[in-house]
Amino acid sequence: DQQVKQNSPSLSVQEGRISILNCDYTNSMFDYFLWYKKYPAEGPTFLISISSIKDKNEDGRFTVFLNKSAKHLSLHIVPSQPGDSAVYFCAASSTYSGAGSYQLTFGKGTKLSVIP
Amino acid sequence: DSGVTQTPKHLITATGQRVTLRCSPRSGDLSVYWYQQSLDQGLQFLIQYYNGEERAKGNILERFSAQQFPDLHSELNLSSLELGDSALYFCASSVDGRPNNEQFFGPGTRLTVL
Repeated sequence: DQQVKQNSPSLSVQEGRISILNCDYTNSMFDYFLWYKKYPAEGPTFLISISSIKDKNEDGRFTVFLNKSAKHLSLHIVPSQPGDSAVYFCAASSTYSGAGSYQLTFGKGTKLSVIP
Repeated sequence: DSGVTQTPKHLITATGQRVTLRCSPRSGDLSVYWYQQSLDQGLQFLIQYYNGEERAKGNILERFSAQQFPDLHSELNLSSLELGDSALYFCASSVDGRPNNEQFFGPGTRLTVL
């Protein structure tokens, strides 16, 4: 049973436009969410995160929105650039000490292609 | 460069064999995580170590084992290999393993079992 779902395997966007990547989760214990970016032949790199006490977090061109009631988060990239072309993974974790470890549960990823 | 190193980059072996993957965390990081990424799958958490001790286990098979040494490097041992074990194996490290501490990933080891 997938606890973190990225239902779009791929997304193509024109350079300069907005890219919106979506992620849904099912585990109510998750309260910390992250986006990672991965280029071919490299490991994932951290992009941005959000705690469940917030509904929005911005870092430059990247904004993550969290809708707790819908168990949904999204990553907005504005404006999109060709260098943003990569696979984006959504990940979730639980910060409750009783939950044990703080391992990340990842979605399957969305491949973003930004067309010049 | 994340500062996390993994060796080897590529590994080709046969079914039934045993291999060892190695990970050196970033300087100062005490926690090491292992993940498996099979074809068209997300990263699956395998196991976490913190300062030499196992902290959590995920979807790790009994044929797999890991350890973290006093110098904090970690090894993932995969035995009785099957075709389905072919995957990318990533190691990540973080300062202390808490969720709001970023995990830094190594470049991965690509394992091919023939």
